[in-house]
Amino acid sequence: QSVLTQPPSVSAASGQKVTISCSGISSNFGNNYVSWYQQLPGTAPRLLIYDNYKRPSGIPDRFSGSKSGTSATLGITGLQTGDEADYYCAAWDTRLSIGVFGGGTKLTVL
Amino acid sequence: QVQLVESGGDLVKPGGSLRVSCAASGFTFRDYYMSWIRQAPGKGLEWISYISSTSRYTYYADSVKGRFTISRDNARNSLSLQMSSLRAEDTAVYYCARAQNDYGLMDYFDYWGQGTLVTVSS
Repeated sequence: QSVLTQPPSVSAASGQKVTISCSGISSNFGNNYVSWYQQLPGTAPRLLIYDNYKRPSGIPDRFSGSKSGTSATLGITGLQTGDEADYYCAAWDTRLSIGVFGGGTKLTVL
Repeated sequence: QVQLVESGGDLVKPGGSLRVSCAASGFTFRDYYMSWIRQAPGKGLEWISYISSTSRYTYYADSVKGRFTISRDNARNSLSLQMSSLRAEDTAVYYCARAQNDYGLMDYFDYWGQGTLVTVSS
């Protein structure tokens, strides 16, 4: 069971918007940043969002992140079939002194 | 460009040991924290270990504490994970990742290797 909670799957039609939630607790989300990773089938994960909402260079602005309290959200607009992937949130847990990932959310573009 | 290349994955028997490595290039290795993250077949990502730039600080997930040891050689731009007392549940692809830190605490992983497969089976 993952420390951070994500829905196992989400789906939306091509061109539409989808959001993926990630919930934690005060010891990991309280004062720490959340990051998001995309893992396309058969590939290594890649960084999508860091420090709650920032995008690395090369990540399109269709991807967005936000955090409020002990919840974080990844948003993807203008869905494309190439966005079909597993998405993971992550943070540092200050109380446990460990890194924690969500269980992952599989995105299906209809 | 930043490159991380893992090696050393293999088939090992339960109770055995194995060392996996990660060769880093394209950045000043000694300036960055590094981490190991694994993914069991068909499962999600699991953070397992983290080492500071000078090796002063190391952190481990409970699932590997006491069995795995992370280390680095800044002169050789290399990261290692020594694994012992291996169990079937350690079967996974092991990724090394460059870690950005926030005042010494893990922040995010901005570059990942392609992974190396460790299989623990009799």
